[in-house]
Amino acid sequence: DTEVTQTPKHLVMGMTNKKSLKCEQHMGHRAMYWYKQKAKKPPELMFVYSYEKLSINESVPSRFSPECPNSSLLNLHLHALQPEDSALYLCASSQAPGDSYEQYFGPGTRLTVT
Amino acid sequence: DQQVKQNSPSLSVQEGRISILNCDYTNSMFDYFLWYKKYPAEGPTFLISISSIKDKNEDGRFTVFLNKSAKHLSLHIVPSQPGDSAVYFCAASGEYGNKLVFGAGTILRVKS
Repeated sequence: DTEVTQTPKHLVMGMTNKKSLKCEQHMGHRAMYWYKQKAKKPPELMFVYSYEKLSINESVPSRFSPECPNSSLLNLHLHALQPEDSALYLCASSQAPGDSYEQYFGPGTRLTVT
Repeated sequence: DQQVKQNSPSLSVQEGRISILNCDYTNSMFDYFLWYKKYPAEGPTFLISISSIKDKNEDGRFTVFLNKSAKHLSLHIVPSQPGDSAVYFCAASGEYGNKLVFGAGTILRVKS
C-alpha cells in the first residue's frame, strides 16, 4: 500500500480566513513533505519533516505553518493568504530521510484564495 | 537556474511504439534520479528510479537509462499505451539530502 491521503480535495478561502490542510500516511514512513504546484509548473518543495522534526523550510512565508503531530500526520495551517497562493498543494512521504528513497505523493488539495 | 531540464514540452507517439522521454541535469552532486507520471488534478505517481551507481533500471514496460558523463537520463516506455498519456516529470536528489528537484515536465500523448 503506497497511499498518501489528503483532505480536503478542494478549498476556497478568503484572505482573512484560517484553514488547515491535512495529510496522512500509514506506510510507516518517517519523512513527510509539503509541495506547492502552480499550473503548468513542476512541484516546488516547501517543507520537509524528518522523524517528526522540521528539517527543511524553503524560505516559505510565515502565513504557511506546518505541523507534524505524529509520524503519520502532517498539517499545513494557512492564515492571511494572498490570491497568488492559489495552487495545488501536494503532500508526500518517503521511507526515511535521505536521497535514495522514493517519495510517494497524495492527490493534492486544490486551493483557491479569493 | 534550472538544474533539471526536460527540453521537450510534449511528445506524441503511436500506440505500440516506443516512447523516449529525455532529461538533462547540471548538478554533478545529484546521485538519485526518479521519474513521475502525473494526470490532471492528481498527485504525481512514482514510476521508476535509478541510482548513480547504475546505468540502467528496468520495471516492466519502463526502463530508465543514466549516462553520468553526459549528465543525461532517459525513460523508455515499450510498448506505449493510450493510458500512458500524461505529464512525465524527471526529478533528482542528492545534494540537498531528500530534497527533490523537478524538471518542467513533458506531456506524452499516445495515439490509438
